[in-house]
Amino acid sequence: GIQVEQSPPDLILQEGANSTLRCNFSDSVNNLQWFHQNPWGQLINLFYIPSGTKQNGRLSATTVATERYSLLYISSSQTTDSGVYFCAQPGTSYDKVIFGPGTSLSVIP
Amino acid sequence: DTEVTQTPKHLVMGMTNKKSLKCEQHMGHRAMYWYKQKAKKPPELMFVYSYEKLSINESVPSRFSPECPNSSLLNLHLHALQPEDSALYLCASSLSDTQYFGPGTRLTVL
Repeated sequence: GIQVEQSPPDLILQEGANSTLRCNFSDSVNNLQWFHQNPWGQLINLFYIPSGTKQNGRLSATTVATERYSLLYISSSQTTDSGVYFCAQPGTSYDKVIFGPGTSLSVIP
Repeated sequence: DTEVTQTPKHLVMGMTNKKSLKCEQHMGHRAMYWYKQKAKKPPELMFVYSYEKLSINESVPSRFSPECPNSSLLNLHLHALQPEDSALYLCASSLSDTQYFGPGTRLTVL
């Protein structure tokens, strides 16, 4: 099956700093979603981005499907950005749904 | 309404108990999911109902039993669980490819 890697696994940022999180797939994917899991466990949908670039406030994401990777940019980080960021390939059968291992982000004041 | 709701938020149960987790969405989504998440791990898909047709992760033990009474409701029936089943159980729904998650139920099996 398709393997997913995320880097870095852990990241500590000073408030106000920028960061780039990366998601690599071992094979082509038809769709890709980025999630933020806050410290209370809630998974929040950030972007559905099978290709191209999208922006939402301080966050933006780029997926280059032909090269099998996606990037999530966080600018001017805030303490509320802390949590775990997952990239995933969603789907409607269990053998098609893939989550990456996650990047754990801590933003310190 | 863009919300997936789950009840209860927390559940503590013994190994001989029978309990159910509930999930509800009113976004008209036709696929609903149950995930299990252990600490410091990504969510692991257990079951998918897509247009009320069930897709099962064959590695999920039979002590977990899903039920989809209608396209807005999803239940997970629990029976004779083991302590290693303690985890965060997440429900999600999707219309096409974008999944939306509920807040989860934290389950502790004693």
